[in-house]
Amino acid sequence: LAKTTQPISMDSYEGQEVNITCSHNNIATNDYITWYQQFPSQGPRFIIQGYKTKVTNEVASLFIPADRKSSTLSLPRVSLSDTAVYYCLVGDPGEAAGNKLTFGGGTRVLVKP
Amino acid sequence: ETGVTQTPRHLVMGMTNKKSLKCEQHLGHNAMYWYKQSAKKPLELMFVYSLEERVENNSVPSRFSPECPNSSHLFLHLHTLQPEDSALYLCASSQEVMSGANVLTFGAGSRLTVL
Repeated sequence: LAKTTQPISMDSYEGQEVNITCSHNNIATNDYITWYQQFPSQGPRFIIQGYKTKVTNEVASLFIPADRKSSTLSLPRVSLSDTAVYYCLVGDPGEAAGNKLTFGGGTRVLVKP
Repeated sequence: ETGVTQTPRHLVMGMTNKKSLKCEQHLGHNAMYWYKQSAKKPLELMFVYSLEERVENNSVPSRFSPECPNSSHLFLHLHTLQPEDSALYLCASSQEVMSGANVLTFGAGSRLTVL
């Protein structure tokens, strides 16, 4: 399971675009990159998944460079309700390989009015 | 309500009690998971089941005992817990296991407090 590194926290304002970059230098050939959002006392919720280049859905965009060693989640025009913790996950979340912390620490995004 | 339902949502128990957490998924998935999330800590994978067979166990203490009677139901039996076991216990499911494209659907969690 590839290890991921994300910023611990980010602040933004309503209406701005938020970009969160995740580093995953040891990503395997068959690994996809998946992002989740978690609100306090709730389970994480799937946001977007990609393998390479760019993926866009109604919620976010995911940019993945050719070497796939990093990825950037882009949240357009955030609102207060986007305040949450965002997790970058690479590969199979059930593959712990001795490492319990499959989700990493995530990035705590605070959207201010 | 998501496709993964967890009960109870809140549980308070003493260290000598025996209780169980229940998870049910209505998505037709083949894999189910238990995660633990302590206060201000990352999620920790506890158990993974694929088609009712356990495929991953992260050296979880024996006071936590999982049970997966079928692909739709997952239990976590709790006995003689410690106060440090107080946490949010999350159940998740996915279409398959051991896939690099796996996507998890989580339940709302069971908030456990051990006195």
